[in-house]
Amino acid sequence: SQKIEQNSEALNIQEGKTATLTCNYTNYSPAYLQWYRQDPGRGPVFLLLIRENEKEKRKERLKVTFDTTLKQSLFHITASQPADSATYLCALVPSNDYKLSFGAGTTVTVRA
Amino acid sequence: NAGVTQTPKFQVLKTGQSMTLQCAQDMNHNSMYWYRQDPGMGLRLIYYSASEGTTDKGEVPNGYNVSRLNKREFSLRLESAAPSQTSVYFCASSAGTKKETQYFGPGTRLLVL
Repeated sequence: SQKIEQNSEALNIQEGKTATLTCNYTNYSPAYLQWYRQDPGRGPVFLLLIRENEKEKRKERLKVTFDTTLKQSLFHITASQPADSATYLCALVPSNDYKLSFGAGTTVTVRA
Repeated sequence: NAGVTQTPKFQVLKTGQSMTLQCAQDMNHNSMYWYRQDPGMGLRLIYYSASEGTTDKGEVPNGYNVSRLNKREFSLRLESAAPSQTSVYFCASSAGTKKETQYFGPGTRLLVL
């Protein structure tokens, strides 16, 4: 069956450090992979999109990698700040569809 | 430009009651979606509408119905609520069906007793 797995444990890091989140998938052939941020009591907000033929994408302090051989995406927040504390969701878009399939998310807490 | 709006924000129902969750977007998007989010699980697609006049089932459609009233509005109806439908419901929209990003509303928290 198809499965998307994100870090099962919440991530607690010190301000200024780099947070690295993992998104692993099985039985998918994703054309795109997206990352969203979700704050408590709010809807997800789009952060980054990476295509299957792209290895890496950056946006300000965020970096996403996509390895279709390992079936994995890594999401990095560099120079983390307390304001980065949130839940981060990865979502796959299969090559033969347009609907998103979401992972359960990883909650990140950045300590000042 | 409000983006995606949802009403109500919070609702308590008794088992067997019915209700309609409303969603509207002002971005002139073609596609709209309804998801539910439960603790420890990812967002799961209930129903979607690729364009005005069309609707289709997602991953977990049982117990729900939808109406794409016009291009802006997409409602979700629970005909006979069950405790298993206690969840947070999110509406989302996207420009089309070419793998664009989705824009989410603030959510409706539903508690079924």
